[in-house]
Amino acid sequence: EVQLVESGGGLVKPGGSLRLSCAASGFTFSSYSMNWVRQAPGKGLEWVSSISSSSSYIYYADSVKGRFTISRDNAKNSLYLQMNSLRAEDTAVYYCARQPPLRAIVGYFDLWGRGTLVTVSS
Amino acid sequence: EIVLTQSPGTLSLSPGERATLSCRASQSVSSSYLAWYQQKPGQAPRLLIYGASSRATGIPDRFSGSGSGTDFTLTISRLEPEDFAVYYCQQYGSSPTFGQGTKVEIK
Repeated sequence: EVQLVESGGGLVKPGGSLRLSCAASGFTFSSYSMNWVRQAPGKGLEWVSSISSSSSYIYYADSVKGRFTISRDNAKNSLYLQMNSLRAEDTAVYYCARQPPLRAIVGYFDLWGRGTLVTVSS
Repeated sequence: EIVLTQSPGTLSLSPGERATLSCRASQSVSSSYLAWYQQKPGQAPRLLIYGASSRATGIPDRFSGSGSGTDFTLTISRLEPEDFAVYYCQQYGSSPTFGQGTKVEIK
């Protein structure tokens, strides 16, 4: 089955750190760029970060630049998001999303995981 | 940053009716890099349309997308019970952004 499964969410204090993981299965993970997209409770969607298939190109939203780091391990079919200096406004469900090949820096997302909730609160 | 404004915020319709959702961009969206997603409560978004008018795999043909430049439309020709959800547009290419969503609810 083609799927993405996120893990690693939880409750963390402001200023703390958390590492999210996304396990891919059912497709050739190493052929796709991958992304993180988040959704604050009751709010809309916000793109967070993108990484190309070979990790050569990495992009971040301004809201997380310098605090979050995206990475991947193609041998393990896994995507990661290291989140440091967390703020209350980072509270959201974080989705892992696959990006089809496209002549664009960041594309659209054709496969999504179910998400993992990150809550930043004291 | 390209700001996407969706209208209306909420659309109240009955099954079988036609739904027309609008997405307007603050500047021209290059190469019609515009996608539409459907999201139901507690679920991840699902891709419906990409490239402004191409249906994603497995999406019924009652869903159609149109538009270019700054004005885009998602049309659901005849609403089925499973179509009541929130719909988001997204522009992509460099720094992707999403619209705030349109909720299609049962009248």
